[in-house]
Amino acid sequence: KQEVTQIPAALSVPEGENLVLNCSFTDSAIYNLQWFRQDPGKGLTSLLLIQSSQREQTSGRLNASLDKSSGRSTLYIAASQPGDSATYLCAVTPPQRRANSKLTFGKGITLSVRP
Amino acid sequence: DTGVSQDPRHKITKRGQNVTFRCDPISEHNRLYWYRQTLGQGPEFLTYFQNEAQLEKSRLLSDRFSAERPKGSFSTLEIQRTEQGDSAMYLCASSLAAGRTEAFFGQGTRLTVV
Repeated sequence: KQEVTQIPAALSVPEGENLVLNCSFTDSAIYNLQWFRQDPGKGLTSLLLIQSSQREQTSGRLNASLDKSSGRSTLYIAASQPGDSATYLCAVTPPQRRANSKLTFGKGITLSVRP
Repeated sequence: DTGVSQDPRHKITKRGQNVTFRCDPISEHNRLYWYRQTLGQGPEFLTYFQNEAQLEKSRLLSDRFSAERPKGSFSTLEIQRTEQGDSAMYLCASSLAAGRTEAFFGQGTRLTVV
């Protein structure tokens, strides 16, 4: 059974700091990995999708990397801003040979960026 | 707005009542998923549809829960005889079935059972 772990559960940093959020998964046989942002009481916003054949994806100040063999992904946030404060979740999907693309999520990392 | 839409956003109900939630996926997406999220946890898979066919249901989906997706368009999730343990955020997502299977989520329906 796939398990996704995100440690630490919470992180507080000063504005302007570059930071890395970690995600690990137990079964390296994945189809893709997706990073999401969730604001309190809201739904999930997709940030980046990394397909299993890719090593990294970039969008603006965000860069996500994937190392399937070690079961790890990192989300790098450059020059953090107070508006980046949210919970960040990573999720993986099973191999494409399976019938569905359901996501298995970690519990998320709650980030607070202090002005 | 061409994103995933969920209705209602909030629902407060008395224990024992039935509730129904609606999800409108992104129009060209043939896969639709329901997830449940409780405080401090990541979303947990409940069920998914490919077009109108419900192809998988989680063990979390007791017989009080039923989901439909008539004509492969919008979907409804009904909970019968609600219990306090059903209080959670119910999230809907949609994606394509192949290729870039990026999932897009709605804003969720927050259910409170009192």
